[in-house]
Amino acid sequence: AQTVTQSQPEMSVQEAETVTLSCTYDTSENNYYLFWYKQPPSRQMILVIRQEAYKQQNATENRFSVNFQKAAKSFSLKISDSQLGDTAMYFCAFMKVQGAQKLVFGQGTRLTINP
Amino acid sequence: DTGVSQDPRHKITKRGQNVTFRCDPISEHNRLYWYRQTLGQGPEFLTYFQNEAQLEKSRLLSDRFSAERPKGSFSTLEIQRTEQGDSAMYLCASSLDRATGEAFFGQGTRLTVV
Repeated sequence: AQTVTQSQPEMSVQEAETVTLSCTYDTSENNYYLFWYKQPPSRQMILVIRQEAYKQQNATENRFSVNFQKAAKSFSLKISDSQLGDTAMYFCAFMKVQGAQKLVFGQGTRLTINP
Repeated sequence: DTGVSQDPRHKITKRGQNVTFRCDPISEHNRLYWYRQTLGQGPEFLTYFQNEAQLEKSRLLSDRFSAERPKGSFSTLEIQRTEQGDSAMYLCASSLDRATGEAFFGQGTRLTVV
Protein backbone atom coordinates (compact mmCIF):
# COMPACT_ATOMS: atom_id res chain seq x y z
CA ALA A 1 0.00 0.00 0.00
CA GLN A 2 1.09 3.53 -0.69
CA THR A 3 1.44 6.17 2.02
CA VAL A 4 1.95 9.91 1.80
CA THR A 5 3.34 11.97 4.67
CA GLN A 6 3.28 15.73 5.11
CA SER A 7 5.26 16.61 8.20
CA GLN A 8 4.31 20.28 8.42
CA PRO A 9 0.76 20.67 9.76
CA GLU A 10 0.90 24.48 9.51
CA MET A 11 3.08 27.11 7.90
CA SER A 12 2.90 30.87 7.80
CA VAL A 13 4.87 33.36 5.70
CA GLN A 14 4.68 37.00 4.68
CA GLU A 15 3.29 38.02 1.34
CA ALA A 16 5.89 37.94 -1.46
CA GLU A 17 8.10 35.46 0.39
CA THR A 18 8.99 32.02 -0.91
CA VAL A 19 7.72 28.96 0.94
CA THR A 20 8.43 25.25 0.54
CA LEU A 21 6.02 22.53 1.60
CA SER A 22 7.40 19.04 2.21
CA CYS A 23 6.02 15.67 1.20
CA THR A 24 7.40 12.16 1.33
CA TYR A 25 5.77 9.01 0.08
CA ASP A 26 6.28 5.29 0.14
CA THR A 27 5.58 2.95 -2.74
CA SER A 28 6.96 -0.06 -4.55
CA GLU A 29 5.45 1.14 -7.83
CA ASN A 30 7.63 2.46 -10.61
CA ASN A 31 4.96 4.20 -12.70
CA TYR A 32 2.94 6.82 -10.87
CA TYR A 33 1.93 10.44 -10.63
CA LEU A 34 2.39 12.89 -7.80
CA PHE A 35 0.20 15.92 -7.25
CA TRP A 36 -0.20 18.98 -5.12
CA TYR A 37 -3.81 20.00 -4.57
CA LYS A 38 -4.97 23.26 -2.99
CA GLN A 39 -8.14 23.46 -0.90
CA PRO A 40 -9.08 27.07 -0.05
CA PRO A 41 -11.40 27.61 2.92
CA SER A 42 -14.93 26.42 2.06
CA ARG A 43 -14.01 25.92 -1.57
CA GLN A 44 -13.31 22.96 -3.77
CA MET A 45 -9.99 21.24 -4.16
CA ILE A 46 -8.07 22.27 -7.25
CA LEU A 47 -4.96 20.88 -8.87
CA VAL A 48 -1.84 23.00 -8.43
CA ILE A 49 0.80 20.91 -10.15
CA ARG A 50 1.44 17.36 -11.40
CA GLN A 51 4.61 15.31 -11.79
CA GLU A 52 4.98 12.09 -13.76
CA ALA A 53 7.41 9.75 -12.05
CA TYR A 54 9.18 8.82 -15.28
CA LYS A 55 10.12 12.44 -15.94
CA GLN A 56 13.36 13.63 -14.40
CA GLN A 57 12.61 17.28 -15.03
CA ASN A 58 10.78 19.01 -12.20
CA ALA A 59 7.34 20.36 -13.06
CA THR A 60 6.68 24.10 -12.91
CA GLU A 61 3.46 26.11 -13.20
CA ASN A 62 4.03 29.84 -12.99
CA ARG A 63 4.93 30.59 -9.35
CA PHE A 64 4.67 26.93 -8.35
CA SER A 65 7.45 24.39 -8.80
CA VAL A 66 8.34 21.03 -7.36
CA ASN A 67 11.52 19.31 -6.28
CA PHE A 68 11.00 15.65 -7.15
CA GLN A 69 13.58 13.29 -5.74
CA LYS A 70 12.49 9.82 -6.87
CA ALA A 71 15.16 7.82 -5.07
CA ALA A 72 14.46 9.62 -1.82
CA LYS A 73 10.69 9.47 -2.44
CA SER A 74 10.42 13.16 -1.78
CA PHE A 75 8.15 15.67 -3.53
CA SER A 76 8.25 19.23 -2.19
CA LEU A 77 6.29 22.23 -3.46
CA LYS A 78 7.85 25.67 -3.73
CA ILE A 79 5.64 28.72 -3.97
CA SER A 80 7.49 31.84 -5.09
CA ASP A 81 6.30 35.41 -4.57
CA SER A 82 3.48 34.16 -2.34
CA GLN A 83 0.14 35.93 -2.54
CA LEU A 84 -2.76 36.28 -0.11
CA GLY A 85 -4.83 34.04 -2.38
CA ASP A 86 -2.38 31.20 -1.79
CA THR A 87 -3.79 30.82 1.73
CA ALA A 88 -5.26 27.31 1.80
CA MET A 89 -4.77 23.70 2.81
CA TYR A 90 -2.27 21.99 0.53
CA PHE A 91 -2.40 18.26 0.00
CA CYS A 92 0.26 16.09 -1.54
CA ALA A 93 -1.19 13.07 -3.34
CA PHE A 94 0.02 9.88 -5.01
CA MET A 95 -1.63 7.99 -7.85
CA LYS A 96 -0.70 4.73 -9.57
CA VAL A 97 -0.93 5.05 -13.34
CA GLN A 98 -2.63 1.67 -13.76
CA GLY A 99 -5.95 0.60 -12.33
CA ALA A 100 -8.47 2.81 -10.60
CA GLN A 101 -6.19 5.85 -10.49
CA LYS A 102 -7.42 6.68 -7.02
CA LEU A 103 -5.59 9.37 -5.09
CA VAL A 104 -3.78 8.70 -1.83
CA PHE A 105 -3.51 11.96 0.10
CA GLY A 106 -1.23 13.22 2.82
CA GLN A 107 -2.58 14.85 5.95
CA GLY A 108 -2.25 18.33 4.53
CA THR A 109 -0.38 21.53 5.36
CA ARG A 110 -2.33 24.63 6.31
CA LEU A 111 -0.55 27.56 4.67
CA THR A 112 -1.28 31.13 5.71
CA ILE A 113 0.05 34.08 3.76
CA ASN A 114 0.16 37.20 5.93
CA PRO A 115 -0.11 40.73 4.51
CA ASP B 1 -20.61 22.49 -17.98
CA THR B 2 -19.04 24.32 -15.08
CA GLY B 3 -17.46 21.41 -13.25
CA VAL B 4 -18.35 18.74 -10.73
CA SER B 5 -21.53 19.53 -8.83
CA GLN B 6 -22.58 18.05 -5.50
CA ASP B 7 -25.90 18.31 -3.71
CA PRO B 8 -26.66 19.12 -0.98
CA ARG B 9 -23.76 21.23 0.24
CA HIS B 10 -24.68 20.66 3.85
CA LYS B 11 -26.76 18.00 5.57
CA ILE B 12 -27.61 17.71 9.26
CA THR B 13 -29.30 14.49 10.25
CA LYS B 14 -30.19 12.61 13.37
CA ARG B 15 -28.37 9.43 14.23
CA GLY B 16 -30.09 6.43 12.71
CA GLN B 17 -31.54 8.28 9.73
CA ASN B 18 -30.68 7.54 6.10
CA VAL B 19 -29.09 10.18 3.88
CA THR B 20 -28.37 10.34 0.17
CA PHE B 21 -25.92 12.59 -1.63
CA ARG B 22 -25.74 13.31 -5.34
CA CYS B 23 -22.77 14.03 -7.59
CA ASP B 24 -22.94 15.28 -11.17
CA PRO B 25 -19.53 14.85 -12.82
CA ILE B 26 -18.15 16.75 -15.76
CA SER B 27 -20.22 15.44 -18.65
CA GLU B 28 -17.54 13.70 -20.70
CA HIS B 29 -15.77 12.15 -17.70
CA ASN B 30 -16.28 8.41 -17.44
CA ARG B 31 -14.46 7.94 -14.13
CA LEU B 32 -16.13 8.98 -10.88
CA TYR B 33 -14.76 8.80 -7.36
CA TRP B 34 -16.11 9.31 -3.85
CA TYR B 35 -13.78 10.37 -1.05
CA ARG B 36 -14.39 11.13 2.64
CA GLN B 37 -12.56 13.90 4.44
CA THR B 38 -12.67 14.32 8.20
CA LEU B 39 -11.63 17.53 9.91
CA GLY B 40 -7.94 18.25 9.60
CA GLN B 41 -7.22 15.21 7.46
CA GLY B 42 -6.67 14.49 3.81
CA PRO B 43 -9.43 12.86 1.78
CA GLU B 44 -9.69 9.06 1.86
CA PHE B 45 -10.85 6.99 -1.09
CA LEU B 46 -14.24 5.33 -0.74
CA THR B 47 -15.24 4.01 -4.14
CA TYR B 48 -14.69 4.29 -7.90
CA PHE B 49 -16.91 3.95 -10.96
CA GLN B 50 -15.92 3.57 -14.55
CA ASN B 51 -19.06 4.47 -16.48
CA GLU B 52 -21.86 2.65 -14.62
CA ALA B 53 -19.65 -0.11 -13.18
CA GLN B 54 -18.47 0.16 -9.58
CA LEU B 55 -14.98 -1.29 -9.90
CA GLU B 56 -13.42 -0.70 -6.51
CA LYS B 57 -14.58 -0.14 -2.96
CA SER B 58 -12.49 0.75 0.06
CA ARG B 59 -12.63 -1.23 3.28
CA LEU B 60 -13.82 2.10 4.76
CA LEU B 61 -17.10 1.57 2.94
CA SER B 62 -19.14 -0.41 5.44
CA ASP B 63 -22.33 -2.29 4.59
CA ARG B 64 -24.29 0.82 5.54
CA PHE B 65 -22.84 2.66 2.57
CA SER B 66 -23.98 2.12 -0.99
CA ALA B 67 -23.15 3.99 -4.16
CA GLU B 68 -24.66 3.89 -7.61
CA ARG B 69 -24.04 5.46 -10.97
CA PRO B 70 -26.96 4.57 -13.18
CA LYS B 71 -26.31 5.00 -16.91
CA GLY B 72 -22.82 6.21 -16.17
CA SER B 73 -23.92 9.78 -15.51
CA PHE B 74 -24.62 11.16 -12.03
CA SER B 75 -23.86 9.17 -8.92
CA THR B 76 -25.51 8.80 -5.53
CA LEU B 77 -23.98 7.84 -2.21
CA GLU B 78 -26.39 6.58 0.43
CA ILE B 79 -25.60 6.08 4.08
CA GLN B 80 -28.11 4.02 6.04
CA ARG B 81 -28.57 4.19 9.81
CA THR B 82 -26.14 7.08 10.15
CA GLU B 83 -23.72 7.17 13.09
CA GLN B 84 -21.88 10.12 14.61
CA GLY B 85 -18.66 8.76 13.13
CA ASP B 86 -20.08 9.30 9.67
CA SER B 87 -19.82 13.07 10.17
CA ALA B 88 -17.40 14.25 7.49
CA MET B 89 -17.08 16.02 4.16
CA TYR B 90 -17.98 13.72 1.28
CA LEU B 91 -16.14 14.67 -1.90
CA CYS B 92 -16.88 13.59 -5.43
CA ALA B 93 -14.31 13.75 -8.22
CA SER B 94 -14.34 12.86 -11.89
CA SER B 95 -11.73 12.28 -14.57
CA LEU B 96 -11.28 11.04 -18.11
CA ASP B 97 -10.16 7.49 -18.81
CA ARG B 98 -6.68 8.30 -19.99
CA ALA B 99 -3.24 8.41 -18.48
CA THR B 100 -3.14 12.02 -17.34
CA GLY B 101 -4.34 11.43 -13.82
CA GLU B 102 -6.03 14.77 -13.29
CA ALA B 103 -9.18 14.55 -11.17
CA PHE B 104 -11.64 17.42 -10.80
CA PHE B 105 -13.36 17.78 -7.46
CA GLY B 106 -16.76 19.05 -6.42
CA GLN B 107 -17.26 21.32 -3.43
CA GLY B 108 -18.36 18.43 -1.28
CA THR B 109 -21.29 17.61 0.96
CA ARG B 110 -20.69 18.27 4.64
CA LEU B 111 -22.58 15.75 6.75
CA THR B 112 -23.22 16.33 10.43
CA VAL B 113 -24.84 13.52 12.41
CA VAL B 114 -26.33 14.67 15.70
